[in-house]
Amino acid sequence: EAQVTQNPRYLITVTGKKLTVTCSQNMNHEYMSWYRQDPGLGLRQIYYSMNVEVTDKGDVPEGYKVSRKEKRNFPLILESPSPNQTSLYFCASSFISGSGNEKLFFGSGTQLSVL
Amino acid sequence: QKEVEQNSGPLSVPEGAIASLNCTYSDRGSQSFFWYRQYSGKSPELIMSIYSNGDKEDGRFTAQLNKASQYVSLLIRDSQPSDSATYLCAVNRDDKIIFGKGTRLHILP
Repeated sequence: EAQVTQNPRYLITVTGKKLTVTCSQNMNHEYMSWYRQDPGLGLRQIYYSMNVEVTDKGDVPEGYKVSRKEKRNFPLILESPSPNQTSLYFCASSFISGSGNEKLFFGSGTQLSVL
Repeated sequence: QKEVEQNSGPLSVPEGAIASLNCTYSDRGSQSFFWYRQYSGKSPELIMSIYSNGDKEDGRFTAQLNKASQYVSLLIRDSQPSDSATYLCAVNRDDKIIFGKGTRLHILP
């Protein structure tokens, strides 16, 4: 089954404790991206990657890191989480065609709470 | 000016009527336009994509694009209670896919 798998689904942590949210896709997509979704602010892009070893900042990258060592995996790292990073996080992936990005496939989301 | 703007709603539409959702975008260089549907607590799912001016129909859904006016819309015909959700407009800008804040649609039985 074609899917984007995020883990964990829920995470509660404390300020300053490093954490990683994993994302894996089995569709051989070139493009992967992380978004956060907050009430009243919608979906905002954190980082994206066009292919292996190619990553770039989205609109809200501060406080986050990513890596793309393999095509299927795109983990999101919070080195020192703060309460303002409490949010719902989505990983997404897609093919890239001549028209640009095609359909984005989303993971199920990770609800993060930083105390 | 925000990059992708939508009325947050809620938009209430009687069952069986046409729901009309609107979106404007600021970057004239945008090439690809998308409508996603998101049910509460779930991840977004693509329902329509459109790349050229005019209308594109898929079942009960019609996407409309007017690049000169920087305007994208989504029409849902014969609205059903299952269409109640938040609808997100998205635009491809320089390989980044930028989302609007979404419009909450409520179909009244």
